[in-house]
Amino acid sequence: AQKITQTQPGMFVQEKEAVTLDCTYDTSDQSYGLFWYKQPSSGEMIFLIYQGSYDEQNATEGRYSLNFQKARKSANLVISASQLGDSAMYFCAMRDALSGANNLFFGTGTRLTVIP
Amino acid sequence: DVKVTQSSRYLVKRTGEKVFLECVQDMDHENMFWYRQDPGLGLRLIYFSYDVKMKEKGDIPEGYSVSREKKERFSLILESASTNQTSMYLCASSSIAGRETQYFGPGTRLLVL
Repeated sequence: AQKITQTQPGMFVQEKEAVTLDCTYDTSDQSYGLFWYKQPSSGEMIFLIYQGSYDEQNATEGRYSLNFQKARKSANLVISASQLGDSAMYFCAMRDALSGANNLFFGTGTRLTVIP
Repeated sequence: DVKVTQSSRYLVKRTGEKVFLECVQDMDHENMFWYRQDPGLGLRLIYFSYDVKMKEKGDIPEGYSVSREKKERFSLILESASTNQTSMYLCASSSIAGRETQYFGPGTRLLVL
């Protein structure tokens, strides 16, 4: 079974609007971490935000926030006030205790396009 | 700032050639990883290493080998390159701390003709 599922291959958002990128995960472990990365056309993976399974508050980093719903096993990324530079691929990833050595499981990604 | 560098951004090789992809990190991280990225498949783990001279297979190790002789350097080797190994290769490193993320290099786009 897929550990990480991103069901949106592509998303469009108007500049200055907010957008939510979906991510669901599957693990039987109680202790795990969820990550979001951004990959611009240059290719480098840029870490955006982290949520631990025991964190009580949803993670926020500037314009990025993570809508963590543990019972639903979802960890959606919300980008507020979209900018043209936000156009990129976005990957959700998970690390659980079963994977060892800090291995990450990645979803297939969502390509976000910000429209001027 | 963490810096992970990869020896080449673009590489063109011929079928059957031996290919070396080098990765160096400057943060004294214990863990290092090699992924390949293909459209629609996300990132798939090829090999990882949690210490010098230690290596573990990831999800798709076939056709690849790795070497970690020094803590800061992790090499991916394609013993006999094939066209189905045309891909984007990403190296990453991380510390063993629980919340620590992986830091990625810029990637190498490999084309095997």
